[in-house]
Amino acid sequence: QKEVEQDPGPLSVPEGAIVSLNCTYSNSAFQYFMWYRQYSRKGPELLMYTYSSGNKEDGRFTAQVDKSSKYISLFIRDSQPSDSATYLCAIIYNQGGKLIFGQGTELSVKP
Amino acid sequence: EPEVTQTPSHQVTQMGQEVILRCVPISNHLYFYWYRQILGQKVEFLVSFYNNEISEKSEIFDDQFSVERPDGSNFTLKIRSTKLEDSAMYFCASSKTSGSGETQYFGPGTRLLVL
Repeated sequence: QKEVEQDPGPLSVPEGAIVSLNCTYSNSAFQYFMWYRQYSRKGPELLMYTYSSGNKEDGRFTAQVDKSSKYISLFIRDSQPSDSATYLCAIIYNQGGKLIFGQGTELSVKP
Repeated sequence: EPEVTQTPSHQVTQMGQEVILRCVPISNHLYFYWYRQILGQKVEFLVSFYNNEISEKSEIFDDQFSVERPDGSNFTLKIRSTKLEDSAMYFCASSKTSGSGETQYFGPGTRLLVL
């Protein structure tokens, strides 16, 4: 079973739509959950991280973790064309800092 | 804003040749990482480095790979004898600590093509 799974998309939405991006993970010991954004030919850039279950909001972005179902989500409200990128979920594996990434979901927001 | 830099941005090499990928982490960071991303696949962890030694390495990081911090600013990844399957985007990252939740800042990557 893969440690982190993410639907690769691509996902295309009209400007202003609410976007929902999701990942599942297999190891219940994972505690830190992150969302990175990657523009074409660039390195991943941290958007948000959450610890344990619950929600975290930052502007138009909300990260949600449900540890009981091992499910993490990123919601983007009022999506903009500039949000077009690949979104990667990632999990910190123990104290060593190694990031385990999902496949990434390619998002396109059409004007 | 401080950032991680990587050189070269692109490298083309012949199979069996040695390549060295270079990174300059953020200056007050102490933990350094290499990841790679084969086209169309996940970003994969290769190795982490702290206090001049490897902290953790993945199965991918075999004897053909090595890392070094030759001076106070550079962090390098060497591939001794490149294979076709080493073609990928290689990302360097750094962080202040290794604690869970600590942000890792990624460089723009080096695109390596092995012919």
